[in-house]
Amino acid sequence: DQQVKQNSPSLSVQEGRISILNCDYTNSMFDYFLWYKKYPAEGPTFLISISSIKDKNEDGRFTVFLNKSAKHLSLHIVPSQPGDSAVYFCAASLFGGSNYKLTFGKGTLLTVNP
Amino acid sequence: EAGVAQSPRYKIIEKRQSVAFWCNPISGHATLYWYQQILGQGPKLLIQFQNNGVVDDSQLPKDRFSAERLKGVDSTLKIQPAKLEDSAVYLCASSLVSTSNQPQHFGDGTRLSIL
Repeated sequence: DQQVKQNSPSLSVQEGRISILNCDYTNSMFDYFLWYKKYPAEGPTFLISISSIKDKNEDGRFTVFLNKSAKHLSLHIVPSQPGDSAVYFCAASLFGGSNYKLTFGKGTLLTVNP
Repeated sequence: EAGVAQSPRYKIIEKRQSVAFWCNPISGHATLYWYQQILGQGPKLLIQFQNNGVVDDSQLPKDRFSAERLKGVDSTLKIQPAKLEDSAVYLCASSLVSTSNQPQHFGDGTRLSIL
């Protein structure tokens, strides 16, 4: 049972345009959502996060939107740059009684074309 | 600030052999995680330590996997005996504490191939 879903395995955009990466979740108890970026042969790097009590968080070119009623979040990158080409993982945090645990989606490969 | 260090970067073994991975977390980070990432999937938590105590090992295949974190710093993950399905990247991560708003910092992982 996949609790965090990234239904688009890949996305291709032109440099300078907007990239929108989507993520859906099923567990309404998740209290925090994070996006990680991963280059080949490297570990995931934390990008941006949002608390479940907010609907938007912005950090430079990156904005995450959360729609709790739809159990959906999205990451917007504006403007997209070739260096943004990477796999993006959506992750959700849940307190399990003694610890917080992250559940990851399968990732979306973003390619930004010059 | 030095990142999470892992070794080796790559390991190739035959099935039924044993293998061990090492992780050195960011200095001062109390929480350490081991994840398994199979090709095409997201990372899956295997075990989580708070200092040198285990707080979650619910998804660790305990018949073949073991992990320890001596003195609350470095950690090792062992597989014995390995199966073909264990081929994956093993990621170590650390965070200051296990609270939801503390991002986890990942190492570059160990890519394990089972022949």
